[in-house]
Amino acid sequence: DAGVIQSPRHEVTEMGQEVTLRCKLISGHNSLFWYRQTMMRGLELLIYFNNNVPIDDSGMPEDRFSAKMPNASFSTLKIQPSEPRDSAVYFCASRGPNEKLFFGSGTQLSVL
Amino acid sequence: QQQVKQSPQSLIVQKGGISIINCAYENTAFDYFPWYQQFPGKGPALLIAIRPDVSEKKEGRFTISFNKSAKQFSLHIMDSQPGDSATYFCAATFSGSARQLTFGSGTQLTVLP
Repeated sequence: DAGVIQSPRHEVTEMGQEVTLRCKLISGHNSLFWYRQTMMRGLELLIYFNNNVPIDDSGMPEDRFSAKMPNASFSTLKIQPSEPRDSAVYFCASRGPNEKLFFGSGTQLSVL
Repeated sequence: QQQVKQSPQSLIVQKGGISIINCAYENTAFDYFPWYQQFPGKGPALLIAIRPDVSEKKEGRFTISFNKSAKQFSLHIMDSQPGDSATYFCAATFSGSARQLTFGSGTQLTVLP
């Protein structure tokens, strides 16, 4: 198993542009989490899904952020329009039948 | 009620020494306490975890000590090695329909050769 796969690894964009981050879960896992990591705020949970259904999106900063899980193995996090303060490392993580959380390698986002 | 407080923010230890990182939680419903290790450019990875029915769990050089009455738990790294240099996060969660983790703020550990 290749683990949780995120793409792209790095994204540099200009303010106002749309950004889409992608995540492929580990096969058989049914929960998906999107986190944002910054030096100032550490690891912040943005949203999580259970069996493709969004359970809690209270961590999503504002309406510019949206996340989807169109099937059991794939999710996207979209920022539209992006702003410099969105610059961070974005992680997705998947969890199977126990509490173990497996993180992807993250997407380093820089909004200029 | 969901907070997990972690200290210290950074830690420097000599090779062969003991590294100790502490965490405190508020929600008594938490019943699963993992520690994650993160290397630069990588996502956090599960290192070791404990449930409140035991006071200590050891895996190799890594030990979790758990004090339920004090609502505290700590990670001890024995014989610390330069390869242990990473950021360590404690976390906590409780059984429920989704069981999301609450993370501490992280400790940057540097082990000097």
